[in-house]
Amino acid sequence: QKEVEQNSGPLSVPEGAIASLNCTYSDRGSQSFFWYRQYSGKSPELIMSIYSNGDKEDGRFTAQLNKASQYVSLLIRDSQPSDSATYLCAPNFGNEKLTFGTGTRLTIIP
Amino acid sequence: NAGVTQTPKFQVLKTGQSMTLQCAQDMNHNSMYWYRQDPGMGLRLIYYSASEGTTDKGEVPNGYNVSRLNKREFSLRLESAAPSQTSVYFCASIPRTGTMNTEAFFGQGTRLTVV
Repeated sequence: QKEVEQNSGPLSVPEGAIASLNCTYSDRGSQSFFWYRQYSGKSPELIMSIYSNGDKEDGRFTAQLNKASQYVSLLIRDSQPSDSATYLCAPNFGNEKLTFGTGTRLTIIP
Repeated sequence: NAGVTQTPKFQVLKTGQSMTLQCAQDMNHNSMYWYRQDPGMGLRLIYYSASEGTTDKGEVPNGYNVSRLNKREFSLRLESAAPSQTSVYFCASIPRTGTMNTEAFFGQGTRLTVV
């Protein structure tokens, strides 16, 4: 059974601070990882993908991957109220199923 | 480019009624998925179709059937709706399984209420 673990939150962060979202996964062979953002009442949308160990930055977002520890995180710098959403982690287990974590609900406090 | 289109957006059914949720993608993707999302439960996989002509059960298939009509279309049928099937349903597609790029594209969702 391939598993993905995320802290369900809610995670509350003051505006302008750094939000840190974490995800652990069960399959050491996973090669690519995806972070999705889902606003309330909307469908998930991709915000970051990461394929290699280390950091990948895109604007205010940084994804960090540690394959040895089976851990991937998403950092949001200078958090804005518009970042309030649920964030879903999705490791690519290389099988036919598409597996998502249960998501972390993030609230940015003005 | 419409991406993934789901119909309907909203539906209210009476217990025991049947209905089909439609999903179509115009990105030439091979693999398509149906999920349900309940509060606090994340996305739970109902059925999937890794390629045209194949369908397989996910983690919560009971009470549902699917049809991969062609490469573009993947429908989900509730034969006899139950209140426990009240949920938001999402269709998603990816280019193909077994590759590095499994970026998923989602439809806008169907909010289904069974009374």
